[in-house]
Amino acid sequence: LAKTTQPISMDSYEGQEVNITCSHNNIATNDYITWYQQFPSQGPRFIIQGYKTKVTNEVASLFIPADRKSSTLSLPRVSLSDTAVYYCLVGPRRGDAGNMLTFGGGTRLMVKP
Amino acid sequence: DSGVTQTPKHLITATGQRVTLRCSPRSGDLSVYWYQQSLDQGLQFLIQYYNGEERAKGNILERFSAQQFPDLHSELNLSSLELGDSALYFCASSVVGAGGHEQFFGPGTRLTVL
Repeated sequence: LAKTTQPISMDSYEGQEVNITCSHNNIATNDYITWYQQFPSQGPRFIIQGYKTKVTNEVASLFIPADRKSSTLSLPRVSLSDTAVYYCLVGPRRGDAGNMLTFGGGTRLMVKP
Repeated sequence: DSGVTQTPKHLITATGQRVTLRCSPRSGDLSVYWYQQSLDQGLQFLIQYYNGEERAKGNILERFSAQQFPDLHSELNLSSLELGDSALYFCASSVVGAGGHEQFFGPGTRLTVL
């Protein structure tokens, strides 16, 4: 699985847009980029997934440049409840099995009032 | 609520003991995954089962074992427990075949080894 690098922590204020960038220089052709959110003492929650260009859902946007060596998770107008750890994962979508996830250290986002 | 259930929620035991953690996947999900998260540590993948068969193995100790039953629920057995096994243990499930890495995580079992 491709190794990912993301900032250890970030601070923001309520109402601001937050962009968290993840580097994955050795991403493979069949790898997808997925982001999870985890609150303290809770299991991670899927946020968004993409392969290239831009993906948007009701929660976030994911921007992936043409070379796919990095990606940016964008959270619009964050609130205090967005304070959490955000994990970037890179790996293939496998329909058979072995859908193993490797979580790195994640980015601790602190949203302040 | 992810639809994945785990029992018990908390477990306190002593070193050298054996415990069993239980997970029921979302309805329709064939894959079950187990993860360990120690205090202030990232999530470590332990093992995956798909429709009753082991499919992927991560950093799972030999003292740990798991299985998935015909009704698709899974159990993680931890034996000869050590202080360092104290952690949150998460179970996740997914519909393998639908593609993607979207796994639905349960609320976790907090294991404390004294």
